[in-house]
Amino acid sequence: AQSVAQPEDQVNVAEGNPLTVKCTYSVSGNPYLFWYVQYPNRGLQFLLKYITGDNLVKGSYGFEAEFNKSQTSFHLKKPSALVSDSALYFCAVKKTGANNLFFGTGTRLTVIP
Amino acid sequence: EPEVTQTPSHQVTQMGQEVILRCVPISNHLYFYWYRQILGQKVEFLVSFYNNEISEKSEIFDDQFSVERPDGSNFTLKIRSTKLEDSAMYFCASGGIGTVGNQPQHFGDGTRLSIL
Repeated sequence: AQSVAQPEDQVNVAEGNPLTVKCTYSVSGNPYLFWYVQYPNRGLQFLLKYITGDNLVKGSYGFEAEFNKSQTSFHLKKPSALVSDSALYFCAVKKTGANNLFFGTGTRLTVIP
Repeated sequence: EPEVTQTPSHQVTQMGQEVILRCVPISNHLYFYWYRQILGQKVEFLVSFYNNEISEKSEIFDDQFSVERPDGSNFTLKIRSTKLEDSAMYFCASGGIGTVGNQPQHFGDGTRLSIL
């Protein structure tokens, strides 16, 4: 069975400060890991994905994510938060060979001006 | 950039009625998906479709649900007899070659289905 945990429902950060949105996962075999962002009344937009071998993954809008195999984590990070980064962030995992994405419960990020 | 488009953006239906949600995936994509998101909850997989047949489905996707790609461009989700608990945001997604691997799925903006 696969699972994704996003332990924080809400993350608040001041504009210009670094942000971290946490994600841990459980899946058999090598995981495919993704981060998506959802703005109000919009669908899920792909941010970045984990590719085997690159523990630090860079994605859209200055976001990056750090894969840690021993901690089974894939935390989303950004060095300097923008107010426009305020949105709902979803971590997702896919088992090798499977077709469907399995999502976490989402973390609402609020960047305070 | 090509997008997945979904219509309508909001559908209101009486309980027990049939509803069809429509999606136009990205044109050269081969894999097609439906997900749903009940208000305040996480996004849940419903079904995947490849080569004109269902390739995978979840427990949610029971006999009341069906999918179709009638004309090579549209991808539809039909709910035969809607229930109150079908109220949710329904997302269509598509993916190209490599989607079964680590290539991302691309999502539409969703259809909000409200069952009265």
